[in-house]
Amino acid sequence: EVQLVESGGGLVQPGGSLRLSCVASGFTFTNYWMTWVRQGPGKGLEWVASINQGGGEMYYVDSVKGRFTISRDNTKNSLYLQMNGLRAEDTAVYHCARGIAAASWGQGALVTVSS
Amino acid sequence: DIQMTQSPSSLSASVGDRVTITCRASQDIRNSLAWFQQKPGRAPKSLIYAASSLQSGVPSKFSGSGSGTDFTLTISSLQPEDFATYYCQQYNGYPYTFGQGTKLEIK
Repeated sequence: EVQLVESGGGLVQPGGSLRLSCVASGFTFTNYWMTWVRQGPGKGLEWVASINQGGGEMYYVDSVKGRFTISRDNTKNSLYLQMNGLRAEDTAVYHCARGIAAASWGQGALVTVSS
Repeated sequence: DIQMTQSPSSLSASVGDRVTITCRASQDIRNSLAWFQQKPGRAPKSLIYAASSLQSGVPSKFSGSGSGTDFTLTISSLQPEDFATYYCQQYNGYPYTFGQGTKLEIK
């Protein structure tokens, strides 16, 4: 069974940093692109970033470019999202998902940016 | 960026009905389209990829069609568990983008 478990969310002040982690199991992690998608309170889904199997190719939505970094550690079956310079508008539940078409999703990690 | 427009934004239907949700892309995305179902407080669930391919374990009451710019998700014989919000997403070009969602409610 495919499982994706996010951690690392929390309350942070504007301008602060957080690092989200996603541990994958139940599939061959190195075979898949991985993706982060977020959902603000009461809002729709927003694609944030994707990374290829080897970790050498990354793409971001414009609103997080230069502030967020997606990475992965294939030895640990883990995906990461380093978030710097956080803003109130980054407040959301962040989900990791398998593949570019997001076939499987984790339950999400809540990030709240507030003073 | 490619804009994805879903219609309707909300839809009321009865158990047993057949409903269709439409998703239009602002430019040709070939068949690089996925559909998701989301229930309150839950993670989204993938239903369809490549516009018309059913994800493993998804019942055949869900079907997708279309290519280029116009796509549809059809749900036949609605059951109580089908009332949820549905999203389309294009993955043809970065940034990937979602539609705004269609909330399917019980009439």
